[in-house]
Amino acid sequence: AQSVTQLDSQVPVFEEAPVELRCNYSSSVSVYLFWYVQYPNQGLQLLLKYLSGSTLVESINGFEAEFNKSQTSFHLRKPSVHISDTAEYFCAVTAIYNQGGKLFFGQGTELSVKP
Amino acid sequence: DGGITQSPKYLFRKEGQNVTLSCEQNLNHDAMYWYRQDPGQGLRLIYYSQIVNDFQKGDIAEGYSVSREKKESFPLTVTSAQKNPTAFYLCASSPTSGGPGTGELFFGEGSRLTVL
Repeated sequence: AQSVTQLDSQVPVFEEAPVELRCNYSSSVSVYLFWYVQYPNQGLQLLLKYLSGSTLVESINGFEAEFNKSQTSFHLRKPSVHISDTAEYFCAVTAIYNQGGKLFFGQGTELSVKP
Repeated sequence: DGGITQSPKYLFRKEGQNVTLSCEQNLNHDAMYWYRQDPGQGLRLIYYSQIVNDFQKGDIAEGYSVSREKKESFPLTVTSAQKNPTAFYLCASSPTSGGPGTGELFFGEGSRLTVL
């Protein structure tokens, strides 16, 4: 099975500052990796994903994540955050050729952007 | 618009009562999932179904039951046997069931259950 560890439960940051949300995974097989975002009292929305190819993946709202196989990490970064980025972020992993798309989620990181 | 609809959004129940949460999708996805979310614990898989009339237990299935009589619907019943049912419940679907796939899940808006 796979597992995910998000190293920070809460990350407070000022508006326009850079941010990094850390994610490490464990798996004995090749994986797909995801970052989801959840706004208060809502479901999760896919932010970005790594399936194959370039190890650096980007979202439409300025986030990026880099797959590092040797360090088994998939950290999420943004060079300049906005108030609207305040949300909870979940890292998730699934094995390639998985059975039914079963994802394993981390515990979540609460990003709080202050003015 | 295509998507996943969960209802009710908020639900209160007394201890000892069963309650059923609805999940409907019109995305024509084969696989559907129920997750439970508690603060600081991330999402934990309760049940999942890859095809109609078939479903499997996830990591925390005790005290829950599901059915999958139609492709579009995957209701979750929280029974009185569930010792700590107060939580936020999320339904999701995936276009692939078994075999190679991207693994991406599409989520509903969630149902918040409070047991009084």
